[in-house]
Amino acid sequence: GAVVSQHPSRVICKSGTSVKIECRSLDFQATTMFWYRQFPKKSLMLMATSNEGSKATYEQGVEKDKFLINHASLTLSTLTVTSAHPEDSSFYICSARASESSYNEQFFGPGTRLTVL
Amino acid sequence: AQSVTQPDIHITVSEGASLELRCNYSYGATPYLFWYVQSPGQGLQLLLKYFSGDTLVQGIKGFEAEFKRSQSSFNLRKPSVHWSDAAEYFCAVRDTNAGKSTFGDGTTLTVKP
Repeated sequence: GAVVSQHPSRVICKSGTSVKIECRSLDFQATTMFWYRQFPKKSLMLMATSNEGSKATYEQGVEKDKFLINHASLTLSTLTVTSAHPEDSSFYICSARASESSYNEQFFGPGTRLTVL
Repeated sequence: AQSVTQPDIHITVSEGASLELRCNYSYGATPYLFWYVQSPGQGLQLLLKYFSGDTLVQGIKGFEAEFKRSQSSFNLRKPSVHWSDAAEYFCAVRDTNAGKSTFGDGTTLTVKP
């Protein structure tokens, strides 16, 4: 099956620093990728939709200047948490939608655990 | 707007017993429906999915789910639970156009020996 990777798998950073998380579709092209956030023992909340070559679409309540998304190629999207604070600590998961799929097939990455001290 | 409700926050079953996890959705048309399982600290694993056709879908690890349009439900079932099935289970509905997924709040499954 299609594989989506995320790097890093976990990161610990100091408050005020920026952290970049990569999401890659390894064996398929993805014109659209989605970024989710999951708090401990909570559900996944969609943060933004990332489209290759265009600006991301953010969900209501998500700060676009805080969570910068870049989708520079058909296999890579990045999420940068700028000036991270402890409340940004969370599990971030991406999914990639296969370009050739007729059913909007999506595949999830393994997630990135961000801890901000 | 689409939404998903998983009425049971926590379910405990004995090993070998049958399992049913409930999921109700709200969506304007026929949705794409999914069940995922998540172990602590891990990502999501797809158990099964419904796009169209046969309303009873088979998934991995012996799971199945039935799409009932009249009840707006997509309940997950397994005839005999194994201790390794203990995990968090998420039901999700996906917009058939934009592709956005909406997840339920999850059901924690505990399996007693």
